[in-house]
Amino acid sequence: GDSVTQMEGPVTLSEEAFLTINCTYTATGYPSLFWYVQYPGEGLQLLLKATKADDKGSNKGFEATYRKETTSFHLEKGSVQVSDSAVYFCALRPGAQKLVFGQGTRLTINP
Amino acid sequence: NAGVTQTPKFRVLKTGQSMTLLCAQDMNHEYMYWYRQDPGMGLRLIHYSVGEGTTAKGEVPDGYNVSRLKKQNFLLGLESAAPSQTSVYFCASSTPGRWEEDEQYFGPGTRLTVT
Repeated sequence: GDSVTQMEGPVTLSEEAFLTINCTYTATGYPSLFWYVQYPGEGLQLLLKATKADDKGSNKGFEATYRKETTSFHLEKGSVQVSDSAVYFCALRPGAQKLVFGQGTRLTINP
Repeated sequence: NAGVTQTPKFRVLKTGQSMTLLCAQDMNHEYMYWYRQDPGMGLRLIHYSVGEGTTAKGEVPDGYNVSRLKKQNFLLGLESAAPSQTSVYFCASSTPGRWEEDEQYFGPGTRLTVT
């Protein structure tokens, strides 16, 4: 079945460090891929998305590229800030009305 | 706009008790969803609705019922709570468009503990 695997957290970095959160998926067909972020005390919100192979989603300095050959959608940011501390969820959409989430990765950035 | 709101934020139930979680959205979205989030498992879809008066089962529907009597509200009911239903519950909504791209808007969650 469809599934998403994220790197296990928690991840702790210093401010201005480079961030990578790995995400790989299993799906039939050609799913859309998403990264959602959950800040403390809030609901999930869409960070970026990609709907086909080789698409790059980007937002707020974060990027992720849809790699069909490696079934991956890794999240990257060149220089993280304390305000990026949150839980990050990778998700895939194999069809209408269905969103499959990874387990989430908690990120903490220290000043 | 308040977006998606959920009531209550926290609740503790005893085994066998019943309760209803309320989700409300003010974005005129057609689609609404209920998810549960358990440690190490991500979010799993419980039930969803594609419009007023319609509901459908998701991945983990057992032990839950839902109703969508008004477009802006989506209720999740637990008739006889069990400890296995201890979880954080998220409601979401979206507008139908190209499903490959549509964004789901999430509420802040309800933390439910069943003892």
